[in-house]
Amino acid sequence: NAGVTQTPKFRILKIGQSMTLQCTQDMNHNYMYWYRQDPGMGLKLIYYSVGAGITDKGEVPNGYNVSRSTTEDFPLRLELAAPSQTSVYFCASRPLPTGPNGEQFFGPGTRLTVL
Amino acid sequence: AQTVTQSQPEMSVQEAETVTLSCTYDTSENNYYLFWYKQPPSRQMILVIRQEAYKQQNATENRFSVNFQKAAKSFSLKISDSQLGDTAMYFCAFLDFTGNQFYFGTGTSLTVIP
Repeated sequence: NAGVTQTPKFRILKIGQSMTLQCTQDMNHNYMYWYRQDPGMGLKLIYYSVGAGITDKGEVPNGYNVSRSTTEDFPLRLELAAPSQTSVYFCASRPLPTGPNGEQFFGPGTRLTVL
Repeated sequence: AQTVTQSQPEMSVQEAETVTLSCTYDTSENNYYLFWYKQPPSRQMILVIRQEAYKQQNATENRFSVNFQKAAKSFSLKISDSQLGDTAMYFCAFLDFTGNQFYFGTGTSLTVIP
């Protein structure tokens, strides 16, 4: 199992550009998440999905869009990049909503800089 | 929304000593899960330990243990016999038992001094 993979690892965008951050998991997990981590801060939830075709907003969804057409993939779209979106983005997945398997599995992160 | 507070931005400990990281949370729920995650310089998020709120017994994982005080809404992490590899950011996280979202604290940067 590769676990949770994210691409790219690093990216620099110009203001107003668009891009998609890719996230794939091969553990057949139902739940998937996108977080952002600003310098010196904890993780803030952007969007999450409880299964294919179902997505919902987290704490900081503005400026982002997601889709979940398959169980494995959960891409995050930035339409008009702004300097405030400079951050490290983490994707995570989880097998069940409750019970001992509440653990999340994280990807390695994508460092995004918007100039 | 739930809130998670880590009031110690930075801490340091001598190698082989014991250190305790603090975490408090605010919730009206009765059942939930709490986690401590470690983030070394590699940025990878690693689960250290988890606690189910309905369990009175404090969780332990080798050198890591928690002091879970449900009434006080406190969830501290104790690291015994600190090792250089324990140097990292540590995040406390809350998961509602029936919810979908995790809530993270702002983290504590721990440095283990040789």
